[in-house]
This record gives sequence, C-alpha cells and structure tokens, in this order.
Amino acid sequence: GAVVSQHPSRVICKSGTSVKIECRSLDFQATTMFWYRQFPKQSLMLMATSNEGSKATYEQGVEKDKFLINHASLTLSTLTVTSAHPEDSSFYICSATPLGPPHQPQHFGDGTRLSIL
Amino acid sequence: AQTVTQSQPEMSVQEAETVTLSCTYDTSESDYYLFWYKQPPSRQMILVIRQEAYKQQNATENRFSVNFQKAAKSFSLKISDSQLGDAAMYFCAYRTNNAGNMLTFGGGTRLMVKP
Repeated sequence: GAVVSQHPSRVICKSGTSVKIECRSLDFQATTMFWYRQFPKQSLMLMATSNEGSKATYEQGVEKDKFLINHASLTLSTLTVTSAHPEDSSFYICSATPLGPPHQPQHFGDGTRLSIL
Repeated sequence: AQTVTQSQPEMSVQEAETVTLSCTYDTSESDYYLFWYKQPPSRQMILVIRQEAYKQQNATENRFSVNFQKAAKSFSLKISDSQLGDAAMYFCAYRTNNAGNMLTFGGGTRLMVKP
C-alpha cells in the first residue's frame, strides 16, 4: 500500500533553533500534501496545504513566516519551524493523497514529536 | 465551513462486546466522504473505514461497520467483538468532494477495552 515517510520522528532542541521536518511519499506521487498539528489529547488541526510547485495555503491563525512549507517535488514536502520556542512543542503529522483516480484516502506519516527546551 | 462533532470524549467496552462511537457533522454539500481513523498510542493514523455520501449502503470492514444517516448528518462507528488492540483514539473525519481533499477531524473519542 501507499507509504508516507516522515522524518525525523523525534526532535529535541533549544529555543531559537529552526527545525525542518520532511514528508515523503515513497511509492506514489502527490501534488498535494497536508500538515497537521496535534496537541496532547486533542484532535488533528490542519495547519496548511502544501502544493507542489506553488505556495502553500495556510489555515487561519497559522503564521506562514513561522511555519515555512516547501513542496519541491511530487514526492517531498518540508515543514520548517523557524526560531522555534517552547510553545511550538507539539506533534506534527503530514499526509498525502496519491495522484490518479479521484477520491483516494489520505495516507499519513508517522508524525514528528517536537520538543523545544 | 464544515464541522465534525464527536460527543463522547471517552468510551469503554468489555472485551468481546460491541460498542458504538458517535459522530455528527455539519455541511451544506451533498457529495462528500466520511472516515473513521484510529490512533493508537504510537500515534500512527490508521484508516478504519470510509463512506461515500452518495452510497446508501453502510460500509463494513470485518468487525467495523458504520451507521450512516445522511439526512441526520450522523456517522457512527460500531465495533463488534471488541479486542484489546482496539483501544485507541478514534477520529471521525469529513472530506469535501471539491478540489483540495482536505480533511476536517472531530475532537476524538478515547476507547478503552476492559479485559
């Protein structure tokens, strides 16, 4: 089945550091990938929609200069948390929908647990 | 905008028994998709079952089935013969049929399975 690889799975770093998270579709192409954030015991909140070859679409309240998204190819999207602070600590998950027949389900990465000290 | 509501923050069920998780949603669209995802402690998102709104027949996947009531905008998940491995967070999700494919998630229900 379709596999989405997300890396790294765990990051612990000092405040002020920028952190890059990669989301790769391993055996399919995706023009659109999604980035979610999940706080403990809460649901997934969509942060942005990553579009290959164009600018990402950010949800209301998400700072685009804080959370930089690059979708350089049909198999890779990256989320960079710039100058991260403790309040950015969270679980980040990406997902992707394969090209081809419409209405295919999204496939999720395993997530990245980000801890800012 | 679409909203998804899961009114049960926590549910528990005895092993081998049946449990039903509730989900309601609000939309003005007539064509859309509904999903149930399972998130175990590992935090992987696992697709449990999906339902196309244009289909009247309720989806079934082994021990998992849904009760889809389009007029009532209700989409409940029934787990039969509950197993210890079913313990997890369950999220109901809505996806528009328009361009974008974005998912809107409910708040989740934590299911506990008692041995």
